[in-house]
Amino acid sequence: AAGVIQSPRHLIKEKRETATLKCYPIPRHDTVYWYQQGPGQDPQFLISFYEKMQSDKGSIPDRFSAQQFSDYHSELNMSSLELGDSALYFCASSLNSPLHFGNGTRLTVT
Amino acid sequence: DAKTTQPPSMDCAEGRAANLPCNHSTISGNEYVYWYRQIHSQGPQYIIHGLKNNETNEMASLIITEDRKSSTLILPHATLRDTAVYYCIVRPGGSNYKLTFGKGTLLTVNP
Repeated sequence: AAGVIQSPRHLIKEKRETATLKCYPIPRHDTVYWYQQGPGQDPQFLISFYEKMQSDKGSIPDRFSAQQFSDYHSELNMSSLELGDSALYFCASSLNSPLHFGNGTRLTVT
Repeated sequence: DAKTTQPPSMDCAEGRAANLPCNHSTISGNEYVYWYRQIHSQGPQYIIHGLKNNETNEMASLIITEDRKSSTLILPHATLRDTAVYYCIVRPGGSNYKLTFGKGTLLTVNP
């Protein structure tokens, strides 16, 4: 069965650079969730979208923004990167169902 | 969302049943109990969920006490590949399936 696809798998950026993470949900899933997991931490909810509209917001920094497109894929844009942004970023999708997670993007900020 | 409490770590012998407890004493009537697991650095994986009845699927069984204040996830025949962090999460009913992860249990299955 098709799963949630995230790209890239790994990303290395320098401080103050920008990064864009992409998420392709399971076909027909209309809701996308973004999570951040720092080293040794548990996943923290950032933001979610339902039918291309922001549906909920968590601890997402103002330097980050996200959107969901007409094909339901989503992008997380991160600017002015800081060392503390180094983490695993997971996307999950849902269609009135338990969340299905992708395998994440590992962002390293140097 | 109701808070959950899980032991930080547990060990289990390969082939034996793994019983992972979770306390959610402040759960309210419309809140579901969800279990996910995360194998090292992979995305969390859905296991099972329930409201008040016991549930079973191909991965595990979920036993919820009658007062709903605690639950137990049972992996009937643990394998080495079941070594992971297991998260018990309480989620309100409704269309928002957002999960709030707390501190899970690191289950180590030993040969």
